Amino acid sequence: AQKITQTQPGMFVQEKEAVTLDCTYDTSDQSYGLFWYKQPSSGEMIFLIYQGSYDEQNATEGRYSLNFQKARKSANLVISASQLGDSAMYFCAMREFLSGGYQKVTFGTGTKLQVIP
Amino acid sequence: DTGVSQDPRHKITKRGQNVTFRCDPISEHNRLYWYRQTLGQGPEFLTYFQNEAQLEKSRLLSDRFSAERPKGSFSTLEIQRTEQGDSAMYLCASSSSLKSTEAFFGQGTRLTVV
Repeated sequence: AQKITQTQPGMFVQEKEAVTLDCTYDTSDQSYGLFWYKQPSSGEMIFLIYQGSYDEQNATEGRYSLNFQKARKSANLVISASQLGDSAMYFCAMREFLSGGYQKVTFGTGTKLQVIP
Repeated sequence: DTGVSQDPRHKITKRGQNVTFRCDPISEHNRLYWYRQTLGQGPEFLTYFQNEAQLEKSRLLSDRFSAERPKGSFSTLEIQRTEQGDSAMYLCASSSSLKSTEAFFGQGTRLTVV
């Protein structure tokens, strides 16, 4: 069974500073994927970044990068140059590949990020 | 097509009533997911469709819950005899088997059972 752990219920960061949101995971699968989603107060889940378990390089998407440490089973999200609009809930998630091409995604409990002017 | 849309955005219902939610995925996406999110928690998987076939259902989906995707396009999630514990945000997501590293979520339907 998969498990995603986000140990930081809330984080503060000064505008323009970088911030790291922690995520650890547990799986016995060799092939899996890790996601980060942003959920603003409006409720929509916004896809940020994806890392496959076999990807050797850390994923990057603009100001977002995923610090993937496979041996430690961690997939931390780094946001550089924080902006006020980054204030939101952030969820780490893991994808499990099942038969028939089905992918089950398990989410962590989230980290609430607040960017301070 | 600008994304996944869900209707209604908010629903207040009395305990014991039936409710139905609709999800319209991104048009070229063949995979559709339903999740439930309660306050302070991450989304929990409910069910998954590939085209019109419902391939997976969570144990969270009691017999009061039913989901359909009759033509492989939009989907409906029905909750019969609602209970206060059903109050949550119900999220729909879609993805394509051709580019499965991304799943796009709708804005959700917030259900309040009074």
